[in-house]
Amino acid sequence: AQSVTQPDIHITVSEGASLELRCNYSYGATPYLFWYVQSPGQGLQLLLKYFSGDTLVQGIKGFEAEFKRSQSSFNLRKPSVHWSDAAEYFCAVATGYNTDKLIFGTGTRLQVFP
Amino acid sequence: EAQVTQNPRYLITVTGKKLTVTCSQNMNHEYMSWYRQDPGLGLRQIYYSMNVEVTDKGDVPEGYKVSRKEKRNFPLILESPSPNQTSLYFCASSSQSSGNTIYFGEGSWLTVV
Repeated sequence: AQSVTQPDIHITVSEGASLELRCNYSYGATPYLFWYVQSPGQGLQLLLKYFSGDTLVQGIKGFEAEFKRSQSSFNLRKPSVHWSDAAEYFCAVATGYNTDKLIFGTGTRLQVFP
Repeated sequence: EAQVTQNPRYLITVTGKKLTVTCSQNMNHEYMSWYRQDPGLGLRQIYYSMNVEVTDKGDVPEGYKVSRKEKRNFPLILESPSPNQTSLYFCASSSQSSGNTIYFGEGSWLTVV
């Protein structure tokens, strides 16, 4: 069965430090991968997505993610974190090109210290 | 502006009192879904719809009903709510014509006492 694992429940970084959030997926076919961010009390905002092509994907707010098929990973990175990046981050995989169904990871809560 | 609109945003209700959470999108999307978000579990799909009159169960459909009579609307119905349906609910829509980007509503906080 398809699944998404985010191994880190909670991460704390200092403002200005680099960030990497891990995501591993289990899916037999070509995965369609997403990262979403949810600020406290807010809905979900799409940071970036990977469907095909270049395995390094650029997103909004200075985020990027790299798809590594050999490792079944789609880790999210940011070179310098801002206090406003504090939020919960969700990795998700679509089970088909139609993206009518997403399988989400359990999320990683990011805390940023000044 | 592209939007997925859910109502109500916040609701406290009592066990057994039927309620409907409405969802409407203005992007002419074929695909619509409902998810629930619970701490430590992420988001799980309740039901989805691939077009008008076409719906199917997601991963956690028990206790919920949906309908898709019009392309823009996809209401979620709780016929007899129970406390374990206390959750944050999200409606989502997508379309191949929009590059399969999935748009989410702002969420509906539902508490069943």
